[in-house]
Amino acid sequence: DAKTTQPNSMESNEEEPVHLPCNHSTISGTDYIHWYRQLPSQGPEYVIHGLTSNVNNRMASLAIAEDRKSSTLILHRATLRDAAVYYCILSGYGGSQGNLIFGKGTKLSVKP
Amino acid sequence: NAGVTQTPKFRVLKTGQSMTLLCAQDMNHEYMYWYRQDPGMGLRLIHYSVGEGTTAKGEVPDGYNVSRLKKQNFLLGLESAAPSQTSVYFCASSYRDIGEQYFGPGTRLTVT
Repeated sequence: DAKTTQPNSMESNEEEPVHLPCNHSTISGTDYIHWYRQLPSQGPEYVIHGLTSNVNNRMASLAIAEDRKSSTLILHRATLRDAAVYYCILSGYGGSQGNLIFGKGTKLSVKP
Repeated sequence: NAGVTQTPKFRVLKTGQSMTLLCAQDMNHEYMYWYRQDPGMGLRLIHYSVGEGTTAKGEVPDGYNVSRLKKQNFLLGLESAAPSQTSVYFCASSYRDIGEQYFGPGTRLTVT
C-alpha cells in the first residue's frame, strides 16, 4: 500500500497562509488523497480530498501535482483554532477506497 | 443529530478480561470503521463494514472481533485483553467509500 511522507512539524503566524506538503511517490492511479486534522483529545476531522484536480472547500484548498506524486494542503488564513495535527492519507487499503491509512502527520503550531 | 457516539468513554481492564465497545451513528451511513491510536502515532484501521451484516479486516485486526447486526451500530470486541491493546479507539462512519468520514470522540482503554 502506498504511503505518505510529511514534515513532523510546522509553524505559522496567525492570519497568514499555510502550505502543508505531502509526498506520495508510490501512489497508484486509483488512490484518492485525503486530508484530516486532529485537535488534542478529539477524533480526526475531515478537511478535504481529491483525485487529480485541485479542490477547494470552505476549510482549505488541495493542490495536487500533475504527476500526483505530491500534494499541498493550503489554509488560506491560519487561525489559532487551526493548530492541530494534519494527516495526509491515501485510501484504498484492502481494495476499499474508504480505508484510510494514517501516518504520523504534521503538527501545525499557529503563533498569534 | 448526535452524529457518531461511542460507549464507554473510558475503561480499565485486567489482562485476559473481555469487553465490547459500542459505536452508534444516526446518519444512516453504510460504511463504518474502527481505528486505534497509540500515543504519538496516527490511526490504524482495525476492522470495517461496508453495510449491515458485513465486516472485513483492516490493517491490524488480530485480537479483535466485530459485528454489524444493525446498520446504525458497529461493535468492537476484545475477547482476551492484552496490555498491547492499551490505546484510544475511534469509530467512524461515512455515507459512501469516498468522502468524509465522521469520527466519534474515542474510547480510552487501558489494559493492566
